[in-house]
Amino acid sequence: GQNIDQPTEMTATEGAIVQINCTYQTSGFNGLFWYQQHAGEAPTFLSYNVLDGLEEKGRFSSFLSRSKGYSYLLLKELQMKDSASYLCAVGDSNYQLIWGAGTKLIIKP
Amino acid sequence: GAGVSQSPRYKVAKRGQDVALRCDPISGHVSLFWYQQALGQGPEFLTYFQNEAQLDKSGLPSDRFFAERPEGSVSTLKIQRTQQEDSAVYLCASSLAGQDQPQHFGDGTRLSIL
Repeated sequence: GQNIDQPTEMTATEGAIVQINCTYQTSGFNGLFWYQQHAGEAPTFLSYNVLDGLEEKGRFSSFLSRSKGYSYLLLKELQMKDSASYLCAVGDSNYQLIWGAGTKLIIKP
Repeated sequence: GAGVSQSPRYKVAKRGQDVALRCDPISGHVSLFWYQQALGQGPEFLTYFQNEAQLDKSGLPSDRFFAERPEGSVSTLKIQRTQQEDSAVYLCASSLAGQDQPQHFGDGTRLSIL
């Protein structure tokens, strides 16, 4: 079967760094997406990885290892507004995205 | 704005009623997706359109669910004879063609069946 695993909830301190892991097992692989979703709002696109390595975009970075079926999202200099759910999604064959259940990130002052 | 627009934002219906949910994608976006999202879960795929063609409806839970996109732009998700388990947030997303293109989501319709 197809499976995306990510921790249910994480807590971090304002100004710190947090790493949210995602492991996947899918029948095909056409890239991995990270989305941010605030409660009651739409998911918003953060990053896309299709090749191994680290993609940096401001305070957010995303890493991919295809051989290990593993990705992480790294958030630096955490701000209170970063409190949200972070969703990992893998592009399967064709166009479908297989979604994880999301990691709820709680930022404390 | 230029984002994906969904209406209504909230919908309450009695069990057995029919409902229609509307999605207005970003102009020029070829691909359109419907998802169902339960509280604390990731989106679950329902159906996918490329322009006006419905290429995949394998995620629709039953034949009570029907989606259309007749002119390749606005899409409607219809649920007939609603049941309580249909209560969820229904998200619409659109994207440019291509597997590496991110999907842009609307704010969703929160459907509550009483």
